Amino acid sequence: GENVEQHPSTLSVQEGDSAVIKCTYSDSASNYFPWYKQELGKGPQLIIDIRSNVGEKKDQRIAVTLNKTAKHFSLHITETQPEDSAVYFCAASRGGYQKVTFGIGTKLQVIP
Amino acid sequence: NAGVTQTPKFQVLKTGQSMTLQCAQDMNHEYMSWYRQDPGMGLRLIHYSVGAGITDQGEVPNGYNVSRSTTEDFPLRLLSAAPSQTSVYFCASTAGVDEQYFGPGTRLTVT
Repeated sequence: GENVEQHPSTLSVQEGDSAVIKCTYSDSASNYFPWYKQELGKGPQLIIDIRSNVGEKKDQRIAVTLNKTAKHFSLHITETQPEDSAVYFCAASRGGYQKVTFGIGTKLQVIP
Repeated sequence: NAGVTQTPKFQVLKTGQSMTLQCAQDMNHEYMSWYRQDPGMGLRLIHYSVGAGITDQGEVPNGYNVSRSTTEDFPLRLLSAAPSQTSVYFCASTAGVDEQYFGPGTRLTVT
């Protein structure tokens, strides 16, 4: 089955700096890669996703890149703000209601 | 439109007790799933359903049962609670092809 590795497990950045979280996956048939943000006491919320036919996707301060050959994808947050502090999960699936496999999460702390 | 709702929010059980975690969605999504979240282990899939009357096992199904009699509801049953089932449980429903919406979670402690 799919295996998703995520690092780092914790990340502290100064407000205004950039944050990068990296994930690798094992199943070459995976073609859907979502990223979730989980705030304390809440369920995960989808913040951005990318499909295997796209190399990069951007939404305001958040961007995701995908390297299918190397089987890794990354989340980039620019101009970080205190409200970006949360746990971020990457995930991978074959799409079309196929099972989603999650990474272990990265706890991001943005220091004001 | 309430999205995905879960009850209860918190629960304490004694070893051997049974209970049902409730999950409901009002978005008419066909695909629903249950995850458990444990420190350092991310979210692991327990059971999922691709529609009313259809369920299947995920990565960690032992000790849990599910049923799907309606599109809206997807309850998770703990048959005989064990301390290893202490966790936070999330229900999710999927829109379109892939986008998952998660509920707020149920924090379960088994003593």
